[in-house]
Amino acid sequence: DTTVKQNPRYKLARVGKPVNLICSQTMNHDTMYWYQKKPNQAPKLLLFYYDKILNREADTFEKFQSSRPNNSFCSLYIGSAGLEYSAMYLCASSPGTSYEQYFGPGTRLTVL
Amino acid sequence: QQKVQQSPESLIVPEGGMASLNCTFSDRNSQYFWWYRQHSGEGPKALMSIFSNGDKKEGRFTAHLNKASLHVSLHIKDSQPSDSALYFCAVSIPSTGGYKVVFGSGTRLLVSP
Repeated sequence: DTTVKQNPRYKLARVGKPVNLICSQTMNHDTMYWYQKKPNQAPKLLLFYYDKILNREADTFEKFQSSRPNNSFCSLYIGSAGLEYSAMYLCASSPGTSYEQYFGPGTRLTVL
Repeated sequence: QQKVQQSPESLIVPEGGMASLNCTFSDRNSQYFWWYRQHSGEGPKALMSIFSNGDKKEGRFTAHLNKASLHVSLHIKDSQPSDSALYFCAVSIPSTGGYKVVFGSGTRLLVSP
């Protein structure tokens, strides 16, 4: 099974409220990623876990948090959502950082 | 900072025709190159990879890599309506924590019956 699951598929949030997105995979992959995708833009890497080590991108360091309680699950947390957070959030996993990434279907977040 | 640019932004080809997608990257340390395809309502899915200069053929799909000219391309022969999708070029570069993948903004391909 090469499925990456994301919940929820759609999320509506109010400005200033927290948002928590969930991703899971059963492939025993070491690496899990979170990307932000806006229309007509490239998927933008927000952060990734290699095993238990979290790597966050410098320009989004303070905006997103994440946890990986076990190998299968990874969350993306926004403490206070702003309008600019409206986007598709894609989770992916891979056996290592130089391998093919397997993507979930995404969570479409709309902040009002 | 690595930049990955794709052209054209959109492409229409007739069924049975050849589709050619281009990608340029800026970092000469780039090591692994991928093409991902995304159908509507789904996440991107890896189509093929290429790691060495030259051509790599998988069925109707051929990838070409020229690291000296910072260019990678994808050619789809005998295009089918099911090939209609958004295609991303993705480039891996060594980074803190392993390799970092930078995606292009995509080429939207429409194959007209």
